[in-house]
Amino acid sequence: SQQGEEDPQALSIQEGENATMNCSYKTSINNLQWYRQNSGRGLVHLILIRSNEREKHSGRLRVTLDTSKKSSSLLITASRAADTASYFCATGGTGGFKTIFGAGTRLFVKA
Amino acid sequence: GAVVSQHPSWVICKSGTSVKIECRSLDFQATTMFWYRQFPKQSLMLMATSNEGSKATYEQGVEKDKFLINHASLTLSTLTVTSAHPEDSSFYICSARESGTPMNTEAFFGQGTRLTVV
Repeated sequence: SQQGEEDPQALSIQEGENATMNCSYKTSINNLQWYRQNSGRGLVHLILIRSNEREKHSGRLRVTLDTSKKSSSLLITASRAADTASYFCATGGTGGFKTIFGAGTRLFVKA
Repeated sequence: GAVVSQHPSWVICKSGTSVKIECRSLDFQATTMFWYRQFPKQSLMLMATSNEGSKATYEQGVEKDKFLINHASLTLSTLTVTSAHPEDSSFYICSARESGTPMNTEAFFGQGTRLTVV
């Protein structure tokens, strides 16, 4: 990807379990965002965390940001089959308005 | 949230023809819009930054003569894939940032255009 790696590349879990996805990036950032994409469709914005924030919650989602390690994690609690999708982190740099995407994690939640 | 409309949602064209994709911000003005390309099972790759009233800025490796970008108004940017070939088949997505908003706010994405060149 243009920005960094996501880990794992693919994740398969049972419904009800938690899913954790990690993202690393290369450059200084202003913010980091997480998106979901269902197969072949557009992006759904999940959450934005600013560079001066360390943790953010939204419903079943919890995002952490560690700027010293240039990494972020997305935790989905009590996963559902409908959470099956690809998840991307995307960074907003300090040098401009571009949003650069990580490689993505494909999550499969088995009912 | 703000709405970005992309048109068409899918298009099939013959090899050698040109295809135009539109990206519109429906309820806000966007000085800057972005074009991405996504191949199957891959991430979104930024192709270019579209600036209203000036030339687009292309990412390294993206041919500006092949992917023509025009951002003639504060609500519309177009991407034209010229002389399309099968390898240009991909999912193209635009995003727009509301003019005047600080950098630590989200950009809004269109729903994408699936281009198939036969």
